[in-house]
Amino acid sequence: EDQVTQSPEALRLQEGESSSLNCSYTVSGLRGLFWYRQDPGKGPEFLFTLYSAGEEKEKERLKATLTKKESFLHITAPKPEDSATYLCAVRPISGYSTLTFGKGTMLLVSP
Amino acid sequence: EAGVTQFPSHSVIEKGQTVTLRCDPISGHDNLYWYRRVMGKEIKFLLHFVKESKQDESGMPNNRFLAERTGGTYSTLKVQPAELEDSGVYFCASSQAEGYEQYFGPGTRLTVT
Repeated sequence: EDQVTQSPEALRLQEGESSSLNCSYTVSGLRGLFWYRQDPGKGPEFLFTLYSAGEEKEKERLKATLTKKESFLHITAPKPEDSATYLCAVRPISGYSTLTFGKGTMLLVSP
Repeated sequence: EAGVTQFPSHSVIEKGQTVTLRCDPISGHDNLYWYRRVMGKEIKFLLHFVKESKQDESGMPNNRFLAERTGGTYSTLKVQPAELEDSGVYFCASSQAEGYEQYFGPGTRLTVT
């Protein structure tokens, strides 16, 4: 069974304090790994798609990386507006387009 | 470009009643997905439409849930009769094509009392 585990469950940072979020996955074969950001009361907002080990993508203060077993979301010099829940999801080769999600990491950045 | 919209944003019903949720995907997106998040758990897949056809409904919990997408535009998800365990947030997402990134709506929070 496909599984996605995110850690930590919650993370509190000071503004400017860089850190990384982890997403470990177990799938029969990976067709894509997706990162989303979710603000309270809203739906997940697409951030990145990664397809193969070694791939990296960047957007502002965020950089996502992928290995054969996990993905990291690196946050450089975060700001309070980066506070949100970050979700990781995988699309296995065996499925159609369905996504299997982790529970997310709740990030709080204090000024 | 308008995003995915869902209606209603909240619904509170009693056990045994019927509720219908609606999703309007991004214009031109043939792929439409329904997901659900119950409290404390991860977002889980329910089903996938390609135009008006059900491509994958392996995540539908039981036959009290009925999804339709007439004409390949908006979709409805009906729960009849609702049970307490159906409470949660129901998300709809759409994508331009299979395998492309999915764009999510704001969700409908369903509370069954």
